[in-house]
Formats: sequence, C-alpha cells, structure tokens
Amino acid sequence: DTEVTQTPKHLVMGMTNKKSLKCEQHMGHRAMYWYKQKAKKPPELMFVYSYEKLSINESVPSRFSPECPNSSLLNLHLHALQPEDSALYLCASSQAHSAMNEKLFFGSGTQLSVL
Amino acid sequence: GENVEQHPSTLSVQEGDSAVIKCTYSDSASNYFPWYKQELGKGPQLIIDIRSNVGEKKDQRIAVTLNKTAKHFSLHITETQPEDSAVYFCAASIENRGSTLGRLYFGRGTQLTVWP
Repeated sequence: DTEVTQTPKHLVMGMTNKKSLKCEQHMGHRAMYWYKQKAKKPPELMFVYSYEKLSINESVPSRFSPECPNSSLLNLHLHALQPEDSALYLCASSQAHSAMNEKLFFGSGTQLSVL
Repeated sequence: GENVEQHPSTLSVQEGDSAVIKCTYSDSASNYFPWYKQELGKGPQLIIDIRSNVGEKKDQRIAVTLNKTAKHFSLHITETQPEDSAVYFCAASIENRGSTLGRLYFGRGTQLTVWP
C-alpha cells in the first residue's frame, strides 16, 4: 500500500467555521507533511512532523493548527480562515525526515473554498 | 535558500514525439532532484528522481540527466502518449544544513500537452 489518503476531497466553509482536514498513511512512514497549493503554482510547505513531533512550521498563521495523533494520522484544524486561504491542501509522507532526502508520497488533496 | 528555475512553462508535442523539460538550481549543495507529475484533480506523484552522485537515470520512457557543474537537470520523455499530459514539477533538496533540512524546492511547473 503506497497510498496517502486525504478526506474530505472537497470542503466549502465560511470564515467563522471550524473544520478539520484528515490524512492517513499505512506505509510505516515516520514523517508527514502539509503543503498548500494554489492553482497553477507549485506546492508550498506548511508543516513537517517527524516521529509525531512538529519539526517545521513555515510561519503559518495560527488559524491553521496541525496535529499528529499517531504515526499514521495527520490532521489540519482550520478556524477563522480567509478567502485567500482557498487552495488545494496536500498531505505527504516519507520514510523519515532526515538529511537522506527521502522520497515524498502525496495524497490527492482537499480542495478548500473559503466563502 | 535554494532557487529552482523550470522551463518551458508550457509544452505541446505530438503523440510519439519526445518532450524535454529543463531545470536549473542555484545552490551547489543540492544533492537530490525528484520530478513529480500532477494530473488534474490529483496530488503530485513522484515519477523519477536522481541523486548528485549519478549523471543519468532511466525508467522505461522517462529519463533524467544531471549536470552538477552547470547546475541543471532535465526530464526526457520519449514516445509520448496522451496520458503523459499533466503538469510536471522539478525539485531540488539541499543536504542537511540546519533549517533547510529535507526541504523540497520546487520549480514553477510545466504544463505538458500531448496531442493524439
């Protein structure tokens, strides 16, 4: 199983809503990532979890709150988002987060629209 | 940080022709160069990668070449098929250097269209 599964596939939310994005992998990977991708642009790194600990936060606004309950699951909690936060949110995983430049496996993403 | 330039931004080829996408990078410490294919409505999928101790790597119709001296690497797709149509991203990753640890620096992408 080389799959990273993300739910939901699509999400529409208002600026006052609270919602969560979920990501799951069963490859035994110990590093998990959140990326944000705007249309026709490359993915931008948001957060990295390594062995269930947050190791990188790319100065992401606090309205995005990541959580890694265990080595297979990754959540992104959303609160008080702005319309400019509308984007494709991608989860990814790799064997580890190290200097060895591990192969990154992406999920299909959650297309988020903020109204 | 690392800066990756990718060209062209769009590429149209006839089915059966070859396609070449080129990337340059700025930091000589970069040592890992993956290529991702992103189809509409999907996440990027790794299609081939190369490390700095290798000059060329091939996987069926896909090949990647790396010129460390010139700091550029290229993706070559031969005998293109309509299902090769997608956005292709190159990326570079710098070896362990503090805050750059494991980061992928992406090019801006190339929209490849293969006409039947």
